[in-house]
Amino acid sequence: QVQLVESGGGVVQPGRSLRLSCAASGFTFSSYGMHWVRQAPGKGLEWVAVISYDGSNKYYADSVKGRFTISRDNSKNTLYLQMNSLRAEDTAVYYCAKDKGVGYCTGGVCYYFDYWGQGTLVTVSS
Amino acid sequence: DIQMTQSPSTLSASVGDRVTITCRASQSISSWLAWYQQKPGKAPKLLIYKASSLESGVPSRFSGSGSGTEFTLTISSLQPDDFATYYCQQYNSCPWTFGQGTKVEIK
Repeated sequence: QVQLVESGGGVVQPGRSLRLSCAASGFTFSSYGMHWVRQAPGKGLEWVAVISYDGSNKYYADSVKGRFTISRDNSKNTLYLQMNSLRAEDTAVYYCAKDKGVGYCTGGVCYYFDYWGQGTLVTVSS
Repeated sequence: DIQMTQSPSTLSASVGDRVTITCRASQSISSWLAWYQQKPGKAPKLLIYKASSLESGVPSRFSGSGSGTEFTLTISSLQPDDFATYYCQQYNSCPWTFGQGTKVEIK
């Protein structure tokens, strides 16, 4: 069965960096796009970034553009999120999610998220 | 960006009730809409995609309808396991955006 397991969260000071990982299993990782979605405490869901199945296409929410970098290692079935210049408003549970398709919108068609990990909490505080 | 607005924000209902949640998009998204269920401390779970297609394994008491800018999620007979927060999501275009959520509480 599909499993997505995030790790790397923790408490970090403002301005510092953190790298999240998401280990995938139970499906052909290299065939699907992958997303990061976050949820601030007591708040709703916010899409953060997507990477295509082969890593060639990446898109970011405006709120993290220029500070966060999404990447993947298909040989290790692992997704990453490098978070730099962290701010208090980045405090959230970060989920990785599997795209139903290749991870970018093609021919006017995007896809939804069919599996989610359990999340990892990032707290940005001094 | 496409804005998604859900109503109500909170809904109090009893077991056995028929429950309807509405989601509106700021522009037409055709049928590119998904619904997710989230329980406290857990990851979201896909219920419905393409506005009305039931994800495998999801009970048939859940149904979705709509197209364009107006969508609904209906639970035909609320069960104890259904008390949760529900989110709509558009996947018509990047960035993917979610509604603010509807919390279904026990009355």
